Order: sequence, then structure tokens, then C-alpha cells
Amino acid sequence: NAGVTQTPKFQVLKTGQSMTLQCAQDMNHEYMSWYRQDPGMGLRLIHYSVGAGITDQGEVPNGYNVSRSTTEDFPLRLLSAAPSQTSVYFCASSSNAVEQYFGPGTRLTVT
Amino acid sequence: AQKITQTQPGMFVQEKEAVTLDCTYDTSDPSYGLFWYKQPSSGEMIFLIYQGSYDQQNATEGRYSLNFQKARKSANLVISASQLGDSAMYFCAMRVRDALNFGKGTSLLVTP
Repeated sequence: NAGVTQTPKFQVLKTGQSMTLQCAQDMNHEYMSWYRQDPGMGLRLIHYSVGAGITDQGEVPNGYNVSRSTTEDFPLRLLSAAPSQTSVYFCASSSNAVEQYFGPGTRLTVT
Repeated sequence: AQKITQTQPGMFVQEKEAVTLDCTYDTSDPSYGLFWYKQPSSGEMIFLIYQGSYDQQNATEGRYSLNFQKARKSANLVISASQLGDSAMYFCAMRVRDALNFGKGTSLLVTP
């Protein structure tokens, strides 16, 4: 049981490049979400999903796309990277309204 | 809109003492959940404790307890008998329907 996995762990992008951050869970959780963590800002919700085929926007969705074609996977796409998207990105999953399991994070730098 | 406020950017506590980390929240939804997470310097997010808005008793998990005062909209975390390993960032969070929103965190340093 791997829990929540995220790839890559580190990534450097140039402004304007696109990329996909991968998130997968093997716990059959319906709920999955993406957060970004900036210094002094805590974690801010980007997008979330309550099941396959269902996604919704969080607090800071601009510049990001998501889709949920399977229960296990919830990729986050950066359409055209900007320096303001330099952050640590966390994926999380949950089977209920209580405990969320977080992935180890992806540290993204956009130059 | 849902809002979580943590007013203490940093706290110090001596080993073996108790410490309270403050959290206030704002929501008009009667059904919500309150959480505390710990983030050590290694970066992972560790779930500590949960309180549902309809729970009558304060949640406890080992040395952690949540002082839930619904009328004041506060959900303070109490850590008893602090240990050096408790030094970390602590985040309060609130889940309303399907969105989980976090406060900005409190940095706790436990000194010998």
C-alpha cells in the first residue's frame, strides 16, 4: 500500500513551458485535491475532485487544469508556467470527511 | 466564504510544558470539520486531530486535544507535555462540504 505518490519530487521549468504533476493513490479514495504551499501563506486549495469525472475549483485555480478519469489518478497541469507558480505542490486524498492523506510534495521552480 | 485564522506566527515552549495554538474560523455553514496538521522540517503533512461541528465532546488524540468553542468559533490545539520532536509548523484547517481550507500556520519551537 503506497498511499499517495507524487512525481516528480523536484522540477525546474522555464517561463511559458507546460508540464503535468502526477498524483496517484491506491487506497480507493473518492476525494482528491491539490494544494500549493508558499512561504507564509499556508496551503491553498487549487482544485479538488469528489470522484472520477467530477472536479471543482478551489481558492487559486488560475493557470492550472485538472481531470479525473480514474479513481486512482488526479494529475495537475500547468498550462504556461509563470514564476508566480514557483511553489511546493501537495496532492491529498480522503475516503471521508475526516483524515486526508498527503503525498510527499513536488517542489517546482519556474525561472 | 470560509476563513481560517491563526494569529500566532511563532511560539516557544519549554520541554514538558503544555502549549496552546490558537485557531479561529468563520463559516455560515452549520456542518463543517476542523483539523490540525503538523508539518516538520522534512515537509510532510501529518494529520493530528479532527473535530466535527456536531461533536459534543472535545477531540483528544494522545497528547493532543482540541479545545472546541463553537460559539466563539475557535478550535485551539493543546499539546500537553511538549517534546523536542514537537518542533514544527502547525496548521489549522476547516472542511466545509468538499473544500479543505488552511490557516497560515504557527511555527512551534520546543526548547530543552
